[in-house]
Amino acid sequence: EADIYQTPRYLVIGTGKKITLECSQTMGHDKMYWYQQDPGMELHLIHYSYGVNSTEKGDLSSESTVSRIRTEHFPLTLESARPSHTSQYLCASSDPLEVGSGYTFGSGTRLTVV
Amino acid sequence: KNQVEQSPQSLIILEGKNCTLQCNYTVSPFSNLRWYKQDTGRGPVSLTIMTFSENTKSNGRYTATLDADTKQSSLHITASQLSDSASYICVVSDRGSTLGRLYFGRGTQLTVWP
Repeated sequence: EADIYQTPRYLVIGTGKKITLECSQTMGHDKMYWYQQDPGMELHLIHYSYGVNSTEKGDLSSESTVSRIRTEHFPLTLESARPSHTSQYLCASSDPLEVGSGYTFGSGTRLTVV
Repeated sequence: KNQVEQSPQSLIILEGKNCTLQCNYTVSPFSNLRWYKQDTGRGPVSLTIMTFSENTKSNGRYTATLDADTKQSSLHITASQLSDSASYICVVSDRGSTLGRLYFGRGTQLTVWP
């Protein structure tokens, strides 16, 4: 049972709109991540956070921004959506103190910009 | 360059049959290797995680093996079921940073036919 939640699951919006993808986790994990995934391709890290007020850019350049005001909440914002932003966005969290633990992923948000 | 290569890219098998998926990696220094199952339109779900000292790990009908010397891993699925149809992703983590950076393969798309 997933303890990390993403909303919305699907979103179709017009070019130029501002959007925020929500991600919340109930596990108290300090580390959270945003990945972007195109069909048939590997996941690419676009943002990560070590904890409250900590945000860093990932390997893949992205025009999106993130914030981490609360431990459980890590929203991603696009100020002006474009068709090139069409993709699946996956949020994840991890606790490095849990021996043998992996990352826990949300179900993802499928974004389509028309 | 740190990479994770998976084969085959896609695989079709009949229900009840066994199959083996392959993962080769060049990530160094190695920390751990994870196999994830990703259903279409969903986030990845962890199947197994193995550290350097582990050669095999099972999770129900899924058995993962790791050869850290040759930098190869395999995921064996026994008595396949229709619900096994999904993408199986190999993910390798390094020890080179506090982030424990993840390197993702592109996945093997498995289809199980009745």
